[in-house]
Amino acid sequence: DVKVTQSSRYLVKRTGEKVFLECVQDMDHENMFWYRQDPGLGLRLIYFSYDVKMKEKGDIPEGYSVSREKKERFSLILESASTNQTSMYLCASSSVAGGLYNEQFFGPGTRLTVL
Amino acid sequence: GESVGLHLPTLSVQEGDNSIINCAYSNSASDYFIWYKQESGKGPQFIIDIRSNMDKRQGQRVTVLLNKTVKHLSLQIAATQPGDSAVYFCAVLGGNSGYSTLTFGKGTMLLVSP
Repeated sequence: DVKVTQSSRYLVKRTGEKVFLECVQDMDHENMFWYRQDPGLGLRLIYFSYDVKMKEKGDIPEGYSVSREKKERFSLILESASTNQTSMYLCASSSVAGGLYNEQFFGPGTRLTVL
Repeated sequence: GESVGLHLPTLSVQEGDNSIINCAYSNSASDYFIWYKQESGKGPQFIIDIRSNMDKRQGQRVTVLLNKTVKHLSLQIAATQPGDSAVYFCAVLGGNSGYSTLTFGKGTMLLVSP
């Protein structure tokens, strides 16, 4: 069974803290993605990666960075957390087999609260 | 860039009814569309997809219809069950970043009452 796991389901941090969200997939997928999900706004793409050590900005990258040192792991970093980064964070992965038309598999999400 | 619009934030149906969830997209060059289901406390889960060379695709109790003329996508769920209660998202290939990423709609919450 394919699986995307995220390091925490719930996380509470203070303003100004550095926050690491970890995502691991066991499907040997090339592509990995970080989204944030907010009520009424749907899923918005923060960053994605098509290969190890490769990263591309999504639609809302400000205030975030990412790291992909290994194929199976994609980390989202909040250098200095702010209250407007309180959100649900979703990680996803997809294969490149068969070209562009591949579904993304999602993790369960991390609900981050910044106080 | 691509934008994906929501037609209805909430849809309430009775168990056994057929449900129709709608989605609109902006880019006529978009050629791949996915519907996801998200249950409370879980990540989105793939339901069905369709390529632009098709108008209709059927799965188990679900049908996706694609109208490229008006850039409209719909998900039909037959004989809706309480277990179908969830938020449904459409996603379109062709993001704003210049790469082939998915752009998601804002979602429709389907509420099924017994």
